[in-house]
Amino acid sequence: DVKVTQSSRYLVKRTGEKVFLECVQDMDHENMFWYRQDPGLGLRLIYFSYDVKMKEKGDIPEGYSVSREKKERFSLILESASTNQTSMYLCASSLGGANTGELFFGEGSRLTVL
Amino acid sequence: KQEVTQIPAALSVPEGENLVLNCSFTDSAIYNLQWFRQDPGKGLTSLLLIQSSQREQTSGRLNASLDKSSGRSTLYIAASQPGDSATYLCAVGGNTGKLIFGQGTTLQVKP
Repeated sequence: DVKVTQSSRYLVKRTGEKVFLECVQDMDHENMFWYRQDPGLGLRLIYFSYDVKMKEKGDIPEGYSVSREKKERFSLILESASTNQTSMYLCASSLGGANTGELFFGEGSRLTVL
Repeated sequence: KQEVTQIPAALSVPEGENLVLNCSFTDSAIYNLQWFRQDPGKGLTSLLLIQSSQREQTSGRLNASLDKSSGRSTLYIAASQPGDSATYLCAVGGNTGKLIFGQGTTLQVKP
């Protein structure tokens, strides 16, 4: 079975802290994505990656960075967390290159920034 | 710019009813369309993926159709059950490799 695992389901951090959200997939997928989901705003793409060491900005990359050192792992980094980054963060992966195949999501990481 | 709309935002039906959820998109140049289910506080679960060359896909009590020319997709749920209560999202994939999501329809099936 396809599996996308997000390391933390719930996190509480303070303003200004550096936050790492980890995502691992076991399906040998090339594509990996980070979304955030907020009430009334739906899912918004933060960053995505088509391959190791490759990254592309999504629709709302400001305040975030990513790392993909290994094919199976895609990390989202908040360099200096702010309260407006309180959200549900969802990682996803899919097969293929530029054309998105079936997308599989992790369980989500709910981040609260105080 | 691709925009995806799902109407209604919320729907409540009695158990056993057949129902249709709607998804519309503004740019017909899509590669695929995917339907997801999301339970409260959880991630998204893929239900059905329709490639642009296909007209429909079926899985159990679910049937999704795609009409690219009119920019529409429907998700048909037969004989609804309380366990079907969730938010259903559609998303379209284009040549950028990204999926564009609708806002979702929250379904409640009453026993």
